[in-house]
Amino acid sequence: EDQVTQSPEALRLQEGESSSLNCSYTVSGLRGLFWYRQDPGKGPEFLFTLYSAGEEKEKERLKATLTKKESFLHITAPKPEDSATYLCAVRGGGTNTGNQFYFGTGTSLTVIP
Amino acid sequence: DTEVTQTPKHLVMGMTNKKSLKCEQHMGHRAMYWYKQKAKKPPELMFVYSYEKLSINESVPSRFSPECPNSSLLNLHLHALQPEDSALYLCASSQDHGLAGGLRTDTQYFGPGTRLTVL
Repeated sequence: EDQVTQSPEALRLQEGESSSLNCSYTVSGLRGLFWYRQDPGKGPEFLFTLYSAGEEKEKERLKATLTKKESFLHITAPKPEDSATYLCAVRGGGTNTGNQFYFGTGTSLTVIP
Repeated sequence: DTEVTQTPKHLVMGMTNKKSLKCEQHMGHRAMYWYKQKAKKPPELMFVYSYEKLSINESVPSRFSPECPNSSLLNLHLHALQPEDSALYLCASSQDHGLAGGLRTDTQYFGPGTRLTVL
């Protein structure tokens, strides 16, 4: 059964304390893995797209990596403004043109000054 | 520019009202989506339009009626909603939904959402 699991559910960090968020997936025919940041009451803001195992992308304090079974979002020296819910989404289906687009339940990150 | 706009930002309606949510993008994307998101839950897909044609309807009740007048606009018509339909409604767009880009799927860009309250 295709699914996406994010951990931890919630994470509290001191400002400057680096950590990683995990997104584990089981889909057939991965066609993309996406990371989004969402602030309360707002739409998800796109962060990264990863397609192949071994791929890495960076943006400011964030770095996303991908293996055949999971993706990590590494946060280096976080600041309070990094506090948000981080969502992982996966599109599977191989050559099937159907939806097979799965969101994880998110990790709620709080960075304490 | 990766902007998707949605109007209104907030909407309060009674169960007998008829209202519409609007979404617009000018990125030349040919796929547009409606999602529903309840508090502390991930977005749930409702509808997908690909090249202005409805390609996916995730068993959404008929009180929600989508419309895609052209490649830049997406509407969601609401009628006889229930209080449990109160949620954040998100619109998204992507370059394509199918296999035009090969086996790599295109990134979906989301709008800011419409907060809907049904009384």
